[in-house]
Amino acid sequence: QKEVEQDPGPLSVPEGAIVSLNCTYSNSAFQYFMWYRQYSRKGPELLMYTYSSGNKEDGRFTAQVDKSSKYISLFIRDSQPSDSATYLCAMRPGAMTTDSWGKLQFGAGTQVVVTP
Amino acid sequence: EAGVVQSPRYKIIEKKQPVAFWCNPISGHNTLYWYLQNLGQGPELLIRYENEEAVDDSQLPKDRFSAERLKGVDSTLKIQPAELGDSAVYLCASSGEQNTEAFFGQGTRLTVV
Repeated sequence: QKEVEQDPGPLSVPEGAIVSLNCTYSNSAFQYFMWYRQYSRKGPELLMYTYSSGNKEDGRFTAQVDKSSKYISLFIRDSQPSDSATYLCAMRPGAMTTDSWGKLQFGAGTQVVVTP
Repeated sequence: EAGVVQSPRYKIIEKKQPVAFWCNPISGHNTLYWYLQNLGQGPELLIRYENEEAVDDSQLPKDRFSAERLKGVDSTLKIQPAELGDSAVYLCASSGEQNTEAFFGQGTRLTVV
């Protein structure tokens, strides 16, 4: 079983709808959580970064972390065709005393298609 | 500020040939990562550097892959000899102090024929 699970999609939504993405994980040491957007033939672009549990909002994007459930979410409001991309969740441990503290673990990515 | 720069963007080689990828991280970033991304998958770590030191290379196939980061700035990843299964996108990323966010380059798409 992978440490980070993410539904690959594709997830198709009409323009203006809310896109809801999520990942589950098994490693309770994960403390830092990130969402990346990756367009075709491009490198991943950092969208959101959160530490520990809670919510974070940035424009149309909201990231949520529920450490008790080992579950993170990304919501995109008022979705646009330009939001069509693959969204990757990533996370890493927080304790600097472990060798793996700097190692980012990624989900497989969810492909999102926003139709006009 | 320039982002992470990788070259080349694309490379096509015949199997058993050597290939090298180059990465220049964001200025001031001490941590540098090389990731491998197969089609439809998330990136997987190959090696992580803290300055010049490789602190995590457990996923690097050392029989054919090698990497170096001389002077703690830019880095080179080499494959020799390349195999058909090495066809993938090779991503470089860097992060600053405390390893908070990691920023990625555009990647090198390798095709081995």
